[in-house]
Amino acid sequence: QVQLQESGPGLVKPSETLSLTCAVSGYSISSGYYWGWIRQPPGKGLEWIGSIYHSGSTYYNPSLKSRVTISVDTSKNQFSLKLSSVTAADTAVYYCARHDHSGYDDFDYWGQGTLVTVSS
Amino acid sequence: QSVLTQPPSVSGAPGQRVTISCTGSSSNIGAGYDVHWYQQLPGTAPKLLIYGNSNRPSGVPDRFSGSKSGTSASLAITGLQAEDEADYYCQSYDSSLSGSRVFGTGTKVTVL
Repeated sequence: QVQLQESGPGLVKPSETLSLTCAVSGYSISSGYYWGWIRQPPGKGLEWIGSIYHSGSTYYNPSLKSRVTISVDTSKNQFSLKLSSVTAADTAVYYCARHDHSGYDDFDYWGQGTLVTVSS
Repeated sequence: QSVLTQPPSVSGAPGQRVTISCTGSSSNIGAGYDVHWYQQLPGTAPKLLIYGNSNRPSGVPDRFSGSKSGTSASLAITGLQAEDEADYYCQSYDSSLSGSRVFGTGTKVTVL
């Protein structure tokens, strides 16, 4: 059973960098698949942020690309998100998910999500 | 805003059939890219419901079905149950947005 768990600060100050980590269990990241981040502002819809392969190859949402960095640590079986220069508009629940990029291109396993609030 | 449009809400009585549309364009659904559907129960993470337009992951009841035609896709729920009350999102790929994966605007299903 593939399981994902997000972790990181729940409160970030404006203009600072949001940092989250997703720990994967039940599946080795090195075995394949892309691994992605999706966010959902309170009361709003879903927005794909970007995805990474175990080799480090990445795809980012063009609207966020200038501020996003996704990295992977295969030794710890986890991947991470950094979003710089945050504003209140970045307040959202952030989900990590397994991205079947080479198959149907869906997100088949999701973490429970973590709320990040941007506020001074 | 999203390039995939869904109705904000649909409702039905228990046992009825409801459908949710997902309208795109020639750069996403109309270009032949697959559509996937997710169910988000209140306060929980989205769950993959339909992948590749019409395939159900293991464990998803056959009351849920998906289809695609032209620049649109649809999710149908037959034999509506109280536990189906949730938000539903479609998702696809858009070639005009530098390879961006896009989600629909979301539809709230209410069981009357």
